[in-house]
Amino acid sequence: KAGVTQTPRYLIKTRGQQVTLSCSPISGHRSVSWYQQTPGQGLQFLFEYFSETQRNKGNFPGRFSGRQFSNSRSEMNVSTLELGDSALYLCASSSGLEGFRTDTQYFGPGTRLTVL
Amino acid sequence: DAKTTQPPSMDCAEGRAANLPCNHSTISGNEYVYWYRQIHSQGPQYIIHGLKNNETNEMASLIITEDRKSSTLILPHATLRDTAVYYCIAGQTGANNLFFGTGTRLTVIP
Repeated sequence: KAGVTQTPRYLIKTRGQQVTLSCSPISGHRSVSWYQQTPGQGLQFLFEYFSETQRNKGNFPGRFSGRQFSNSRSEMNVSTLELGDSALYLCASSSGLEGFRTDTQYFGPGTRLTVL
Repeated sequence: DAKTTQPPSMDCAEGRAANLPCNHSTISGNEYVYWYRQIHSQGPQYIIHGLKNNETNEMASLIITEDRKSSTLILPHATLRDTAVYYCIAGQTGANNLFFGTGTRLTVIP
């Protein structure tokens, strides 16, 4: 079974630009979560999508948004980029069935975003 | 979700067992203990999780105390490739907004 894939793997943008990152979950998984990892703040939850609906949201400004398509692929968008948005963006997929004992999140390799 | 406390760093000799502790004194009854690890600049890798019984898989063993306030991840024969940051997380199964904390940086020494 193929793992979680993220594209692109590396990205360089300048302040004020916007960026879209893509995540393809493991086949059959309906939940996709996004995380931001920075040296100062560690790994922080951004949001989760399940069946095309945002189910959970972390404490990030509205510049960070996402969506999920009917095939469970997900994109996240960051508008008006700031220097502090430079980070490793990780997505994780799972079946998304709450209370399902064996449900776990599997992470992709991440997209390294650098904002200049 | 309950917060967890882990030592910031540990060393382990290659070939020996690595025992990584985690405190989760405020864990609620429906929260599982999850362990992930992250090798430098890669995505976190799932290791194991459990509710109250001890668990074992091909990667590790998880020992949870009877009161569920702490747990230990055991890597039975540590190798250099096990050098990573290990995260202990308390969360509800199916809840995909995990709080990772700062983890334990395990260094396996030749």
